[in-house]
Amino acid sequence: NAGVTQTPKFQVLKTGQSMTLQCAQDMNHEYMSWYRQDPGMGLRLIHYSVGAGITDQGEVPNGYNVSRSTTEDFPLRLLSAAPSQTSVYFCASSSGESGANVLTFGAGSRLTVL
Amino acid sequence: GQNIDQPTEMTATEGAIVQINCTYQTSGFNGLFWYQQHAGEAPTFLSYNVLDGLEEKGRFSSFLSRSKGYSYLLLKELQMKDSASYLCAVRDSDYKLSFGAGTTVTVRA
Repeated sequence: NAGVTQTPKFQVLKTGQSMTLQCAQDMNHEYMSWYRQDPGMGLRLIHYSVGAGITDQGEVPNGYNVSRSTTEDFPLRLLSAAPSQTSVYFCASSSGESGANVLTFGAGSRLTVL
Repeated sequence: GQNIDQPTEMTATEGAIVQINCTYQTSGFNGLFWYQQHAGEAPTFLSYNVLDGLEEKGRFSSFLSRSKGYSYLLLKELQMKDSASYLCAVRDSDYKLSFGAGTTVTVRA
């Protein structure tokens, strides 16, 4: 049982480049979400989804896009990377189509934007 | 929105007890979670409270008072492996989960 799988684990980008962080879960969870974690600020919600075809914005959505074409996958796209997007990104999922329950987190993706 | 406060750091001795407090203000409360996060790793679920009172799970207990907007996580019989960050998270009436900045606990021998 793989749980939540994130790729890549590490990435370095130049300002203005675009990229996609991949997230897949094999637990048939309806709810999926992306958080970023910065020192002293805790985890902040970027985007979330309560099921295939449904996405919504969290606390810090600017500069990021998401889609949910299948139950399993929830990629996060950075459209034009900025140094302020240097962070550790976590994908998390849970059962429940109402929203977040007990979250299972991926291992994280450390992104550096130069 | 949510405002979640917890201390930044705490230090305790192996075998001792540590209590991590969390206070919150929310537009609609629908549960409080505690997660543990070791350095460089992902958070993992510890406990969940939605009603007032104490939930006990082995060496870890969590308490909630909804009227006071207050929770604490109690770690008993501290072990070196308990050195980690402990994250308080509040779920609102829209089922969105917001996290506090975390409390780093250092256990000393």
